[in-house]
Amino acid sequence: TQLLEQSPQFLSIQEGENLTVYCNSSSVFSSLQWYRQEPGEGPVLLVTVVTGGEVKKLKRLTFQFGDARKDSSLHITAAQPGDTGLYLCAGALNTGTASKLTFGTGTRLQVTL
Amino acid sequence: ETGVTQTPRHLVMGMTNKKSLKCEQHLGHNAMYWYKQSAKKPLELMFVYNFKEQTENNSVPSRFSPECPNSSHLFLHLHTLQPEDSALYLCASSQAGWLRRSYEQYFGPGTRLTVT
Repeated sequence: TQLLEQSPQFLSIQEGENLTVYCNSSSVFSSLQWYRQEPGEGPVLLVTVVTGGEVKKLKRLTFQFGDARKDSSLHITAAQPGDTGLYLCAGALNTGTASKLTFGTGTRLQVTL
Repeated sequence: ETGVTQTPRHLVMGMTNKKSLKCEQHLGHNAMYWYKQSAKKPLELMFVYNFKEQTENNSVPSRFSPECPNSSHLFLHLHTLQPEDSALYLCASSQAGWLRRSYEQYFGPGTRLTVT
């Protein structure tokens, strides 16, 4: 069974601060995705990283895939209240059929004014 | 705007009731999924349908019965549930295939189920 551990589990910061969320596993994944989920809604896909060492930027969010494709990080610069939510990483295995994702334990972020 | 819709958004049912959850995707995908999200637990995959065929049943109790009449619609039939089945049930879809982008799943807003 593949497990994805996220840290920290909870993070409460003030607007303007920077933060990093980590996603770690002992398994190698074909790709890794990050989602954000707001209360009462389903997860929304933010980014997919595929290549070991890959870095992707989405405005103030920077995503990195580890060289060995076992871990990933999400860095948010100058956090805003709109960044509040549950951040989930999900690792994909190359099964060749419908995608099978293993989801992380989640990081709940609260950004206050 | 989401391409995956779910109804109802909220459902309260007794342990002896029978109800169904509905999911519809408008993205032209060919794979659909049911997940369960409970407090303090990672998202749990329940069922996977690929081109209308069930390809995964993740040891889900028989009181949950999925149905996929076509690639756009997915149902989850519920009967004689237990209070511990109370959770957010999420539907997702993706484009199945060998391409890496096929691993991107798009979720509906979920059905908040409470079993009393």
